[in-house]
Amino acid sequence: GQQVMQIPQYQHVQEGEDFTTYCNSSTTLSNIQWYKQRPGGHPVFLIQLVKSGEVKKQKRLTFQFGEAKKNSSLHITATQTTDVGTYFCAGPGGFKTIFGAGTRLFVKA
Amino acid sequence: DADVTQTPRNRITKTGKRIMLECSQTKGHDRMYWYRQDPGLGLRLIYYSFDVKDINKGEISDGYSVSRQAQAKFSLSLESAIPNQTALYFCATSDYRGGDTQYFGPGTRLTVL
Repeated sequence: GQQVMQIPQYQHVQEGEDFTTYCNSSTTLSNIQWYKQRPGGHPVFLIQLVKSGEVKKQKRLTFQFGEAKKNSSLHITATQTTDVGTYFCAGPGGFKTIFGAGTRLFVKA
Repeated sequence: DADVTQTPRNRITKTGKRIMLECSQTKGHDRMYWYRQDPGLGLRLIYYSFDVKDINKGEISDGYSVSRQAQAKFSLSLESAIPNQTALYFCATSDYRGGDTQYFGPGTRLTVL
């Protein structure tokens, strides 16, 4: 079946360092979504990308959708302690949404 | 998201007990979902419903059942709880007109002893 894979599983960074998580789908996606889950919280929608090669920015976060619409990345510039949490990508799979396993980000002050 | 509520927020129960987790939403969405989260395994879909008369199994439905009582209510039952059902359970809603963006409830932490 369709799979959405995410790497790395964990990332430890020093505050101020950059962070990137990558998402790869086994099939072409019509769109990709990114969510953030703070420790002890629930996943919260961040953004959706639809177009091939699309790049969107939210302050220090940059989201990219690959040209083939099978991969995506989330890059955080100059991480802050408020960035800690797990970042999930998700894509449509038939009539439902398939989530990646997530990348957990730890930020050391 | 305050528009999606789950009860209870925490539950400890014993093996063999029947448990019901409830979800309500005020977003007016037709689509509702139940997910299970385990450390390192992300979010796995248990059941989903696209309207009151539509119920579909997800990837890990064994041992679970659901009921869609109304557009706004979707409950998950564990008929006979077992320890490996200890997990964090999330309800979510979506609107296909909004690209199926998922709006999650606060979660229910279930422990089966």
